[in-house]
Amino acid sequence: QQQVRQSPQSLTVWEGETAILNCSYENSAFDYFPWYQQFPGEGPALLIAIRSVSDKKEDGRFTIFFNKREKKLSLHITDSQPGDSATYFCAASARTGANTGKLTFGHGTILRVHP
Amino acid sequence: AQTIHQWPVAEIKAVGSPLSLGCTIKGKSSPNLYWYWQATGGTLQQLFYSITVGQVESVVQLNLSASRPKDDQFILSTEKLLLSHSGFYLCAWSLLGGRDTQYFGPGTRLLVL
Repeated sequence: QQQVRQSPQSLTVWEGETAILNCSYENSAFDYFPWYQQFPGEGPALLIAIRSVSDKKEDGRFTIFFNKREKKLSLHITDSQPGDSATYFCAASARTGANTGKLTFGHGTILRVHP
Repeated sequence: AQTIHQWPVAEIKAVGSPLSLGCTIKGKSSPNLYWYWQATGGTLQQLFYSITVGQVESVVQLNLSASRPKDDQFILSTEKLLLSHSGFYLCAWSLLGGRDTQYFGPGTRLLVL
């Protein structure tokens, strides 16, 4: 059972547009949601993260919108740049549970930004 | 500043041969350490985690084992590789388990033939 789902699988936008990447989850116990950016051949790098007590987190051109009731969140990348072309992973973890430190990842969204 | 190093960068191995991958963290004492596996174009699957020297917890069974011989070192190994072991192996660290951010290393690319 896929506990963290991402959509779309891939997304293409033009430079300067806003890219919107979606994520939803099943487990009500999830309360920490980091987004990672991964370039081909490299390890993922933390981009931005949100905790369930907040409904919005902003860092420069990157903003997370969080809807706890619907178990959905989205990553908005404004003024998209070709250098933003990468795979973006939504992940989730719970404060309690058997697996301390377990991050559950979605399958990722491949973003392409055309100049 | 903390740094995370993985070795080797890439490996090509034969089915049935042994494997040992390593990870070291510098600049942080007593980190939590994690091993992940990523299929080409796929998601990240956590394999093991360790909160202290000598202690390793398995998350999924993939005919692999892990050990933490030193505070700053995490080893992933197997005595017999399978074709399904091919992929990208990532080491990560954090300070407070899943409550804190996990930082990933550069990864090791493994191809089993």
